[in-house]
Order: sequence, then C-alpha cells, then structure tokens
Amino acid sequence: ETGVTQSPTHLIKTRGQQVTLRCSSQSGHNTVSWYQQALGQGPQFIFQYYREEENGRGNFPPRFSGLQFPNYSSELNVNALELDDSALYLCASSWGAGQSETQYFGPGTRLLVL
Amino acid sequence: SQQGEEDPQALSIQEGENATMNCSYKTSINNLQWYRQNSGRGLVHLILIRSNEREKHSGRLRVTLDTSKKSSSLLITASRAADTASYFCATEETSGSRLTFGEGTQLTVNP
Repeated sequence: ETGVTQSPTHLIKTRGQQVTLRCSSQSGHNTVSWYQQALGQGPQFIFQYYREEENGRGNFPPRFSGLQFPNYSSELNVNALELDDSALYLCASSWGAGQSETQYFGPGTRLLVL
Repeated sequence: SQQGEEDPQALSIQEGENATMNCSYKTSINNLQWYRQNSGRGLVHLILIRSNEREKHSGRLRVTLDTSKKSSSLLITASRAADTASYFCATEETSGSRLTFGEGTQLTVNP
C-alpha cells in the first residue's frame, strides 16, 4: 500500500455531465500528479500540482481542471464528459516537483461514460 | 504522447525462468522508472534509475540504463506466477517532473 487513496473507486456518468475525482496524497508529500489510462494503454499525464499551484500540464483540453488543497489533497474535475473520457484515472503523490522523486500511485478511479 | 516503447508487447514464460523487458525513449531524462500493474489496478513502483546510473538491483529485479542508446531493460530473475502483470517504463524528462509512460509489456508466468 502506498498511502495514496482515491475516491470513488468506480463511477458511471453520461455524456455531457461533470465529474469530480478525489485524491489524498501520502503523508509528507506536497506534489500530486494526475494521469489518464485508457484500456490497454499506458497512463498519460494530465497535470501536476505542487504546493497548490499547477506545475505542468499535458495535452488535455481545458475541460480537465484540477485543484490542490492546503493539506495537499487534490481534485480532478472533468466537464462536458465525452465517451472517450472513459478510463482509469490515477493520481500519484511525491515530494518536491522536479526533484527526481518516486511517484507513488493510488488505486485509481474507473470512470465509464455512457 | 508515448515516449517509452516497451518490447515485447507480451511475454509468456514458465515459472523459474527469467523475464527481460526492454524500453526505448526519445528525449533527455532525469530518471527512468519501472512500474507494475495488476489487471487494471494502481501502479506499483518497482525501481528508479537516475540518468547517471548504469545498473541497479532490487531483490530479483535488475535494471540497466544506456543513455547513449536511450534504452533500458528490466530483468526479473526466477520468475513466479505472482509476477504476472503489466510492466511499464516511465521517463522523467529534464524539462519537468511529469512521467511519460510506454504502452507496457504484459508478462504471463505460467505455473
């Protein structure tokens, strides 16, 4: 167990709806990264938060947004859901952005968009 | 975009045999990490090798890194059925701390 938790574990939504996924980082970690993993593929970087500020973003549209709280937990929000948003969403926590530290992953939230 | 490319895509071996997986990447990196994933669950970190290191060991795992060839290999010795999983390499580029993953190698270890 990494100490990184995510909620909910599974979620079913319909096209056009909005969703919020949550991540609690490992104790002592101040950086949270979010990844999207489509079936049969490797995870793709969405964005990273370091000390409550966005610290890098991957090739995802603005309807993917995030937030990091003072306790370093984080949320991923996706608006106007599309069928292709169906995936496993993973968060990872680490200490210090850009310092070559191991990222520890949570169990993921599986989102199905119908 | 996927930077790391794992080879082979799938590998099936017998228990006790060694398993070797390879990873190639394209840009300059700070480090390369290997992760394991069991059947759509979260990723488990296996080992991190920094760009100035050439080889690293952890238990039954041995990782090599050749920055001139932009490639890495993961060797699992004396494999067990419990090693059955998908294995991903991920690179942390010099431009930032995001991880860029390959598409993974599906390892099946038959009892």
